[in-house]
Order: sequence, then structure tokens, then C-alpha cells
Amino acid sequence: DSGVTQTPKHLITATGQRVTLRCSPRSGDLSVYWYQQSLDQGLQFLIQYYNGEERAKGNILERFSAQQFPDLHSELNLSSLELGDSALYFCASSPRGRASTDTQYFGPGTRLTVL
Amino acid sequence: AQSVAQPEDQVNVAEGNPLTVKCTYSVSGNPYLFWYVQYPNRGLQFLLKYITGDNLVKGSYGFEAEFNKSQTSFHLKKPSALVSDSALYFCAVRDVPQGNQGGKLIFGQGTELSVKP
Repeated sequence: DSGVTQTPKHLITATGQRVTLRCSPRSGDLSVYWYQQSLDQGLQFLIQYYNGEERAKGNILERFSAQQFPDLHSELNLSSLELGDSALYFCASSPRGRASTDTQYFGPGTRLTVL
Repeated sequence: AQSVAQPEDQVNVAEGNPLTVKCTYSVSGNPYLFWYVQYPNRGLQFLLKYITGDNLVKGSYGFEAEFNKSQTSFHLKKPSALVSDSALYFCAVRDVPQGNQGGKLIFGQGTELSVKP
């Protein structure tokens, strides 16, 4: 168990809908990262937050947004869902924001299926 | 740009035999390299990392990795494979932080390890 929790575990929804994925980082970690894992794209970085502020953006669609709250949990919001958004979404956390040597610990993921 | 490559989609090994999962990297600056394992329907579990120092890094579950700067490789190894080692293995490199931005992980495409009894 990495100490990173994600809810829900599974999510099935329809095209055009909006969903929210939730992540709680390990105790004491200030950075949260979101990644998407799909068969065609592999593991792709979406966005990073550090202590409530957005730090880095990757291949995140404009229909997707995220935030980190004062208690450090983070939410990833996906809207106007398309079939291609079906994927496994991972959250990871690390102690600091810029330290390249920090290990990122991953949660169990949320499997999103868009029908 | 930082990148990693895992040249084998699948590696098959008999239980008890040594295993190697290959990874090569391309970075500007110092390489910070990681190995993760993903079991079916589970998240990514951290195995080990190379930051600096000894080229042989020891990690969880008896795995180790050898950093080779001249060959730009970071192969994952285990002296004696177990059936329970069967999983998807990912090599990753930490991106160089730019300004205030943190360093994301850049992953290889993954290698499916199958250990048969």
C-alpha cells in the first residue's frame, strides 16, 4: 500500500457527461501528479499541483481540469466525455515540488469507462 | 527532451532463471531513473531508483538495476525469477524541472514479464 488513495475505483458513464476523480496524497506529501494510462498512449502526465498551486501541465485536454485543496487532496474533473477518454487515471504524490530525486508514489487508479 | 525506451514488449522467463528487463534512456543533464511494476488491476508500485552513486541499485522484492552511463541503459534484473513476478514493468526518467515546474515522470511503453513454472 503506497498510502495514496483514489476514489472511485471504477466509473462508468456516458458520452457528454462530467465526472470527478478524487485523490488523497500520502501523509506529508505536498505534490500531487495526475497521469492517464491508455492502451494507445501509454502512461502520460496530465498535471501537477504543489501545495495548492498548479506547477506543471502536460498533455491535458481543455475539457479536463484539476485542483488541489487546502487539505492537499486533489480532484481531476473531466467534462464533455468522449469514448476516447476511457482510461485508467492515476494520482501520484511526492514530498516536494521540484526535487528530481523524490520518488512518486502512485495510487491504485480510477478506471473510467465512457459508453 | 528526456525519454526512455523499453525495446521488448514481452519477456518470457522460466521460474528460477535470471531475468532482465531492458531500458535505455536519453537525457540532458543527470539522469534520474526509476522502475515501477504494475500488477493486473493494481496501481504502479515503486521498485527502485538511480540518482547518483553506485551503479548497481538494489530495490524491493529482490530486484536490482544496473546503471550504465556509456550505454545509456538502466536494465532491471533479478537473479532468480518467481511466477509471482509476472507483471507489467515500467522504466521512467524524471523530467528536468523548468523554473518553478516540478519534474514529471516520463515512462517507457512497458514490458510484460511472464514467468512460467
